Amino acid sequence: DQQVKQNSPSLSVQEGRISILNCDYTNSMFDYFLWYKKYPAEGPTFLISISSIKDKNEDGRFTVFLNKSAKHLSLHIVPSQPGDSAVYFCAASWGTSGSRLTFGEGTQLTVNP
Amino acid sequence: EAQVTQNPRYLITVTGKKLTVTCSQNMNHEYMSWYRQDPGLGLRQIYYSMNVEVTDKGDVPEGYKVSRKEKRNFPLILESPSPNQTSLYFCASRANEKLFFGSGTQLSVL
Repeated sequence: DQQVKQNSPSLSVQEGRISILNCDYTNSMFDYFLWYKKYPAEGPTFLISISSIKDKNEDGRFTVFLNKSAKHLSLHIVPSQPGDSAVYFCAASWGTSGSRLTFGEGTQLTVNP
Repeated sequence: EAQVTQNPRYLITVTGKKLTVTCSQNMNHEYMSWYRQDPGLGLRQIYYSMNVEVTDKGDVPEGYKVSRKEKRNFPLILESPSPNQTSLYFCASRANEKLFFGSGTQLSVL
């Protein structure tokens, strides 16, 4: 039972345009949401996060939106750059001190020059 | 340089032969955890440790053991590996909700 789902295995966008990556979750006990980026042959790296008490967090070209009523999370990248091409994982933390982490399946983003 | 170091990067073994994947972090983080990545499933938490001598099960702990005798090290032990444990493994430590991952260990169990 996948509690965090990324329904799009892949996404392709043109350089300079907006990339929107989506994530849905089922567990209302999740208290923190994070996005990680992964390049081939490397470990995932932290990108941006949002607390469940907020609905938006912005960091440079990256913005994460949280819609708690819809249990939906999205990551916007504007403008997209070829170096953004990677697998993006949505994750949710829960449990004592956020000790548990549940990841989505990942979305492969390709930004074409 | 702040980092999480896993060894080895690649490992091929046979069913039933005990193995250990090492993980070390130099950031003095209290929390460490192990994940496996499989196609179509994302990353799944195997075990985690809130601090020295404190470990607990994640989502897929069966067939794995861990130990946390000192803060910097968190080895993953497969006592009797099976082919369904063929996977890409990541160790991570955490600060302020952010996980710092190692580069991964690709394990193949024949």
